[in-house]
Amino acid sequence: EVQLVESGGGLVQPGGSLRLSCVGSGFTFSSYWMHWVRQAPGKGLVWVSRIKSDGSNSDGSSTSYADSVKGRFTISRDNAKNTLHLQMNSLRAEDTAVYYCARGADRTFDYWGRGTLVTVSS
Amino acid sequence: EIVLTQSPGTLSLSPGERATLSCRTSQSVSSSYLAWYQQKPGQAPRLLIYGASSRATGIPDRFSGSVSGTDFTLTISRLEPEDFAVYYCQQYGGSPSVTFGQGTKVEIK
Repeated sequence: EVQLVESGGGLVQPGGSLRLSCVGSGFTFSSYWMHWVRQAPGKGLVWVSRIKSDGSNSDGSSTSYADSVKGRFTISRDNAKNTLHLQMNSLRAEDTAVYYCARGADRTFDYWGRGTLVTVSS
Repeated sequence: EIVLTQSPGTLSLSPGERATLSCRTSQSVSSSYLAWYQQKPGQAPRLLIYGASSRATGIPDRFSGSVSGTDFTLTISRLEPEDFAVYYCQQYGGSPSVTFGQGTKVEIK
């Protein structure tokens, strides 16, 4: 059974940092692109970032970000530990959301974790 | 940026009725890269349809997807009690890489 379990959310002050993790099981983690998608309270889904399976890319990069987080968030993965990370720096109130990790498959997200809540507030 | 506009915002229907949800894209999008998700309160989204018309694993055949130009449609032929939820369309491609529609809530009338 495919499972994705996020952790690392919590309350952080504006300007602070947080590192989210997502552990995958039940599938060959290293074979899949992985994504972060967030959802502000009562709002819709917003794609945040993605990372390729093997870290390679035609233009030399393996990651991609939404403009709203570019330069502040960093996605990474440890395939040996089946773990996806999202390092979030310079957090803002508008980053408050449930953060989901999702497995990428054929331009869709076929499995999602249950999410971890990040609250940015003083 | 490719914008996905879903309509209506809310659909009030009774169990057993047919639901028709629309997702219009601001630019031409490959139908291969259009998906639909269902989300219930407090839960993660669930993939329903990919490639505009293919059902994901385990999805009942009362759910179907279609496309006409830049208009994508999700149809639920006969609503079951568990189908009342929020539905999102999603496209993969362009810049940014992924965008979602704002969602359609299907509520019990």
